[in-house]
Amino acid sequence: DTGVSQNPRHKITKRGQNVTFRCDPISEHNRLYWYRQTLGQGPEFLTYFQNEAQLEKSRLLSDRFSAERPKGSFSTLEIQRTEQGDSAMYLCASSPGQTNEKLFFGSGTQLSVL
Amino acid sequence: QKEVEQNSGPLSVPEGAIASLNCTYSDRVSQSFFWYRQYSGKSPELIMSIYSNGDKEDGRFTAQLNKASQYVSLLIRDSQPSDSATYLCAVKSDTGRRALTFGSGTRLQVQP
Repeated sequence: DTGVSQNPRHKITKRGQNVTFRCDPISEHNRLYWYRQTLGQGPEFLTYFQNEAQLEKSRLLSDRFSAERPKGSFSTLEIQRTEQGDSAMYLCASSPGQTNEKLFFGSGTQLSVL
Repeated sequence: QKEVEQNSGPLSVPEGAIASLNCTYSDRVSQSFFWYRQYSGKSPELIMSIYSNGDKEDGRFTAQLNKASQYVSLLIRDSQPSDSATYLCAVKSDTGRRALTFGSGTRLQVQP
């Protein structure tokens, strides 16, 4: 399977716990994006990487959120001290970058904070 | 004002009809426009991209762009029940944010 892979598919956690999600992009894609989506809404931009460099972060991304892409390959998104409002689908997408901005999404990680 | 606006629907059309989905955007320097389809419980998948004013056709899908009016639309001809999904409009600006900005989507229901 050469698509975007995300793990885990589902995560249930208690409020105040830390969670970490992983994304493996399509191998030749330079750009990697994290979005968050809640029911009835479109994907909401969180952050994006060009290779290992984090080039942009949304104002919505509080200091409890951190993302890394250490070697320009896979990426992790960590949420510290989770809150019930963090419950959402976390989507990862990748694109070839340069002049091709078409995003290809993974299946997402559904986070439920109890 | 939202950056990308779509009517949430549901838009209900009979099988075989043309479904017309609309999207407006606020950033005049937007240059790239995309339509994604999202089935319930699934992630978005790209169905069309358009960069220049006018129409672009791909099978049963036609994307239309009017930059002067800041308007982009998607027409689905010969609608099928399998087209029932949420259609997301996404826009990319050449300045400011480099990632796509999505609308909240229009839910399409194709009645058999």
